[in-house]
Amino acid sequence: AQSVAQPEDQVNVAEGNPLTVKCTYSVSGNPYLFWYVQYPNRGLQFLLKYITGDNLVKGSYGFEAEFNKSQTSFHLKKPSALVSDSALYFCAGLKYNFNKFYFGSGTKLNVKP
Amino acid sequence: DVKVTQSSRYLVKRTGEKVFLECVQDMDHENMFWYRQDPGLGLRLIYFSYDVKMKEKGDIPEGYSVSREKKERFSLILESASTNQTSMYLCASSFRQGAEAFFGQGTRLTVV
Repeated sequence: AQSVAQPEDQVNVAEGNPLTVKCTYSVSGNPYLFWYVQYPNRGLQFLLKYITGDNLVKGSYGFEAEFNKSQTSFHLKKPSALVSDSALYFCAGLKYNFNKFYFGSGTKLNVKP
Repeated sequence: DVKVTQSSRYLVKRTGEKVFLECVQDMDHENMFWYRQDPGLGLRLIYFSYDVKMKEKGDIPEGYSVSREKKERFSLILESASTNQTSMYLCASSFRQGAEAFFGQGTRLTVV
């Protein structure tokens, strides 16, 4: 079965510190991988995606993600967290040539001043 | 910018009512999706459509149906609303296979 896992329900980090939100995937073939952010009572906003090529992908708002095929991971990172980054983050996988996204359960990021 | 618009932000309906949730996208996207989001369960796919009049069941289609008569519009129908369908409903669209999905702002439905 295809799936995406986010092992942490919540991540706490101080403003100015680096942040990492973890994601592992079990999607066959060469999957496409995505990160989304959701602010309270809003829809999901696309942050970045990995299709192929460079394992480090840069996205919106200073976020980046590192694809690691051997560890089947796609962790979201930011060098210096902002309080305004506090939100719910979702990782998603898409099997090549298919339409169905597999979403993780979400990780709540809390950035404290 | 891609815009995905859901007809209502908040809805309150009574048990047994037939409920229509409407979604419109303005970028000629082939694929459209309906998800529900519940705390601790993440996003679960209800239905998706890859073309006009074409649809496929997702993970939790029971109690729901969909309609896509025009490319830009994808409707979710709750045939007889029940309290366990109280949830946040999210519509999304994507240009083609492999492309990122763009989401609407969500409809928070409460069934009483």
